[in-house]
Amino acid sequence: KAGVTQTPRYLIKTRGQQVTLSCSPISGHRSVSWYQQTPGQGLQFLFEYFSETQRNKGNFPGRFSGRQFSNSRSEMNVSTLELGDSALYLCASSPGGGGTTYEQYFGPGTRLTVT
Amino acid sequence: KNQVEQSPQSLIILEGKNCTLQCNYTVSPFSNLRWYKQDTGRGPVSLTIMTFSENTKSNGRYTATLDADTKQSSLHITASQLSDSASYICVVRKAAGNKLTFGGGTRVLVKP
Repeated sequence: KAGVTQTPRYLIKTRGQQVTLSCSPISGHRSVSWYQQTPGQGLQFLFEYFSETQRNKGNFPGRFSGRQFSNSRSEMNVSTLELGDSALYLCASSPGGGGTTYEQYFGPGTRLTVT
Repeated sequence: KNQVEQSPQSLIILEGKNCTLQCNYTVSPFSNLRWYKQDTGRGPVSLTIMTFSENTKSNGRYTATLDADTKQSSLHITASQLSDSASYICVVRKAAGNKLTFGGGTRVLVKP
């Protein structure tokens, strides 16, 4: 099975712009979660989608949004970029459902740099 | 406040030696605890997952322990190899609401 893919891998944007990141989960996985990773804050949970519905949300401002399509692919959008949004954005997929012990499989991440 | 604290922040060990990483958490109610290994520039990879009733779980040279009473977990690396150089992240899932809390990670460097 192909792993989780994220595009683009690297991105450079300027303050005030917006950006859209894409994640394709492992085939058959219905849950997609997004994380932000920075050297200072470590990994922080953004949100989780399951069957096109947001199931969980972290403590990020409304500038961060996401959605999931019927084929389970997910996109994350950040509007009005700030310097502090520079980070590695990771997507993880899992079979989902009601269980909490499903393993999450991470993609390679998108490295976003805001200048 | 639900927190996950890892120690040490970083450590250097010689190839072939053992090391132990610590993870203390206050997340409650507890659902499970997972250890991830993250190589530089890559996404994390799950090493072990432990639920409330499990004390020890191994994955090759990696052995995780869990003491749910004291809310402590450890990850022991046996006979370290250069490829063990990575960040190790402890993640605790809360039973209510299913939310995840991540530790800050321990960066391990194995030297020949």
